[in-house]
Amino acid sequence: NAGVMQNPRHLVRRRGQEARLRCSPMKGHSHVYWYRQLPEEGLKFMVYLQKENIIDESGMPKERFSAEFPKEGPSILRIQQVVRGDSAAYFCASSNQGGYGYTFGSGTRLTVV
Amino acid sequence: ELKVEQNPLFLSMQEGKNYTIYCNYSTTSDRLYWYRQDPGKSLESLFVLLSNGAVKQEGRLMASLDTKARLSTLHITAAVHDLSATYFCAVDEKANAGKSTFGDGTTLTVKP
Repeated sequence: NAGVMQNPRHLVRRRGQEARLRCSPMKGHSHVYWYRQLPEEGLKFMVYLQKENIIDESGMPKERFSAEFPKEGPSILRIQQVVRGDSAAYFCASSNQGGYGYTFGSGTRLTVV
Repeated sequence: ELKVEQNPLFLSMQEGKNYTIYCNYSTTSDRLYWYRQDPGKSLESLFVLLSNGAVKQEGRLMASLDTKARLSTLHITAAVHDLSATYFCAVDEKANAGKSTFGDGTTLTVKP
């Protein structure tokens, strides 16, 4: 059981570029959650998705950020026109039951230069 | 809006000593989690506490929940260096909503 797989582990983008972060949930899990962690802080909820549906996106910034979890393939967190303030660790979690029993991935560390 | 506060934020201990980390939250909640995070790593689930008075223990760590006081504690007994990490509590305000609110974490350093 490979667990929750996130890639890339580290991503460097210049200001204005796009960042795409991928998350493959654990086998059998159909619920995916994205969190952002700024340095020295706890994780902040961004979005909760099921296959082809966004369940709760109350933590997503209104602009430049989007997330999807297609029928086939990984969940994608997309950040357009990145700015320095987007530099953070982005964690994905999955569960086989909605809102319970989360398993976290190893995260993607995004650095915007 | 649910707020979760941990204290202390930084804790330096000698090996063999006991200490407690506190997690307060601002509204009623359905469940509370404790996680461990090593530097540059992901979160490892330690405990899930579901009801008032719940107590769970794993090795040198024991977690408890008082829903009336909106307080959870993580007690460390006879600390060892391997326990050095950052510990987070997180609270789900609503069951199965898929949205946890995290505290800012307690960074624990255990010195020989």
